[in-house]
Amino acid sequence: DAKTTQPNSMESNEEEPVHLPCNHSTISGTDYIHWYRQLPSQGPEYVIHGLTSNVNNRMASLAIAEDRKSSTLILHRATLRDAAVYYCILRSNYQLIWGAGTKLIIKP
Amino acid sequence: SQTIHQWPATLVQPVGSPLSLECTVEGTSNPNLYWYRQAAGRGLQLLFYSIGIDQISSEVPQNLSASRPQDRQFILSSKKLLLSDSGFYLCAWNQPYSNQPQHFGDGTRLSIL
Repeated sequence: DAKTTQPNSMESNEEEPVHLPCNHSTISGTDYIHWYRQLPSQGPEYVIHGLTSNVNNRMASLAIAEDRKSSTLILHRATLRDAAVYYCILRSNYQLIWGAGTKLIIKP
Repeated sequence: SQTIHQWPATLVQPVGSPLSLECTVEGTSNPNLYWYRQAAGRGLQLLFYSIGIDQISSEVPQNLSASRPQDRQFILSSKKLLLSDSGFYLCAWNQPYSNQPQHFGDGTRLSIL
C-alpha cells in the first residue's frame, strides 16, 4: 500500500497562510489524495481531496505536484480553530491508509 | 442531510467482558460503513468495512467482530475484551464510490481495566 510522509508538527501565526506538505512517492495512478483533520477526542473531519489537478474549497486549497509524488494543503488564513492534527492520506479502493499526521499549532 | 450517530461516547469495561458498540447513519441509503481504532498519538487503523448488509471485510485479525443487521446500522462486538482493545473507536460512512470522502462519528473512548 502506498504511504505518505508528513512532518510531525508545524507552527504558524494566526491570520497567516499555512502550507502543510506531504510526500507520497509511491502513489499509484488511481490513488486519490485526501486530507482530513482531527481535533482532540473527536472524529476526523474531511478537508479536501484531489487526483491530479489543484483543488479549492471553502476550507482549504490542495496543490498537487505534476508528478503526483507530493502535495501541499494550504490554509489561506489560519485561525486558532485550525489547530488540529492534519492527515494526508491516499485513497485506494475502500481503504484510507492513515499515518501519524502533522500537528498544527497556531500561535495567537 | 446525512448524519452519523455513534454510542456510547465513553466506556470502561473489565478484561474478559463483552463489548457492543453501535453506529447508525441517517439520510442516505446503501452507504459503505467502516470501523476504525486509534491508539493515542497515532493514525487510524481500519478494522472492518462493509459495502452492504451481511457483506463485511476484516482488515486486522483480532478478537473483534462486526455485523450489519440493517442497511444503516453497523455494530462492533467482542465476546471477551483484552487490555490491548483499549483505544478510540470510530465509525465512518461514505457514498459507494471510490473517491468519495468518509464522514466520521464522534467516537467511543474504550478503557479496559
